[in-house]
Amino acid sequence: GENVEQHPSTLSVQEGDSAVIKCTYSDSASNYFPWYKQELGKRPQLIIDIRSNVGEKKDQRIAVTLNKTAKHFSLHITETQPEDSAVYFCAAHDRGSTLGRLYFGRGTQLTVWP
Amino acid sequence: DTEVTQTPKHLVMGMTNKKSLKCEQHMGHRAMYWYKQKAKKPPELMFVYSYEKLSINESVPSRFSPECPNSSLLNLHLHALQPEDSALYLCASSQEPSGQETQYFGPGTRLLVL
Repeated sequence: GENVEQHPSTLSVQEGDSAVIKCTYSDSASNYFPWYKQELGKRPQLIIDIRSNVGEKKDQRIAVTLNKTAKHFSLHITETQPEDSAVYFCAAHDRGSTLGRLYFGRGTQLTVWP
Repeated sequence: DTEVTQTPKHLVMGMTNKKSLKCEQHMGHRAMYWYKQKAKKPPELMFVYSYEKLSINESVPSRFSPECPNSSLLNLHLHALQPEDSALYLCASSQEPSGQETQYFGPGTRLLVL
């Protein structure tokens, strides 16, 4: 099955700075890559996703890039704010896997200091 | 309405008890999922229900059994659980079970097994 690695496990930035979280995946058949944000005690919420036919996608302060050749994708958050503090999970969907299965990275705890 | 609801929010049970977790979505989604999430870890897929078919993560013990009474409801029956089963149990749904559709998570049930 798919194996997703996520780095770093913790990230601290000053408010207004940028934050980058990187993930790699192992199976070249993976074709869908969502990013979820999970605040303490709350549900994971999708913040952005990208499909394998696209190299980059942006939504206001958040962007995701995908490099299929290198099998990695990254989350970029610009002009960070304290409310961006949360755990971020990347995930990958492997077309050959169990119906609807997402393989998650281990998460990145992002802390934005005011 | 992109909401998945779950009841109860919290549950404490003994190892000999039988209890059920409930999940509901009214988005007309055709796939529903149960995940288990331990603290500071990513969600782990337990079951996928789609078009009346059940897919199981084979590592899930038989003391967990899902039930899908209809396309908008998904239950998780719990019996003879162990303390290590204490976790946040998340339900999710997606439009299709392809894995390339956004999975919307419910708020979760926080389970403590004594």
